[in-house]
Amino acid sequence: SYVLTQAPSVSVAPGETARITCGGNDIGSKDVHWYQQKPGQAPILLIYYNSDRPSGIPERFSGSNSGNTATLTISRVEAGDEADYYCQVWDNSSEVFGTGTKVTVL
Amino acid sequence: QVQLVESGGGLVKPGGSLRLSCGVSGFTFSDYTMSWIRQAPGKGLEWISDITSDSSRNYGDSVKGRFIISRDNAKKSVFLQMNILRAEDTAVYYCARGGGKYCTDAVCYTPPFDFWGLGTLVTVSS
Repeated sequence: SYVLTQAPSVSVAPGETARITCGGNDIGSKDVHWYQQKPGQAPILLIYYNSDRPSGIPERFSGSNSGNTATLTISRVEAGDEADYYCQVWDNSSEVFGTGTKVTVL
Repeated sequence: QVQLVESGGGLVKPGGSLRLSCGVSGFTFSDYTMSWIRQAPGKGLEWISDITSDSSRNYGDSVKGRFIISRDNAKKSVFLQMNILRAEDTAVYYCARGGGKYCTDAVCYTPPFDFWGLGTLVTVSS
């Protein structure tokens, strides 16, 4: 089965840039979606089809996807961005989530 | 606005059964694939099952043969019948709109899970 690998944690200072990677075999050939989940809350869609933002999501959040790595970039990080982030793809009639990355704002 | 509300969670003994429901509003339910996703305590997200607008079903390996997804378009609801429950099925179960794959005009799409319910907790314990 398809596997998506994410770093368990990323720490970033306020105002800096956080990059969260999602590794998978030839993931660049797939559509990647990203979700943000804050403690005790349901996930929300953050980025879809690699780089599109749903309405209401700040431009500070952006995505890219190429080769074996998809990347979620959070620019000008704020305290409110502290959360778990998951990538997700469809593969062979199954949905696959990444292992998740916890972003800590220092 | 789009709303999804899960119900039916609770405490059940190993080997038992439970039926989850998810009622929706704010969109044309019959047009969409609907999915169930779960999250064990302190763990990540795990896709469980989806059902397309024409009721084709897919299941994750961990629940195949034990869980059954269904939908009632008239009631704007999707259901998850969970049988032969195990301790490792303990999780918050989320209903979400989206998932699957569809193709139109030779272009294929794999929609995201764009709306989620708040979840319902299922605890499997003796």
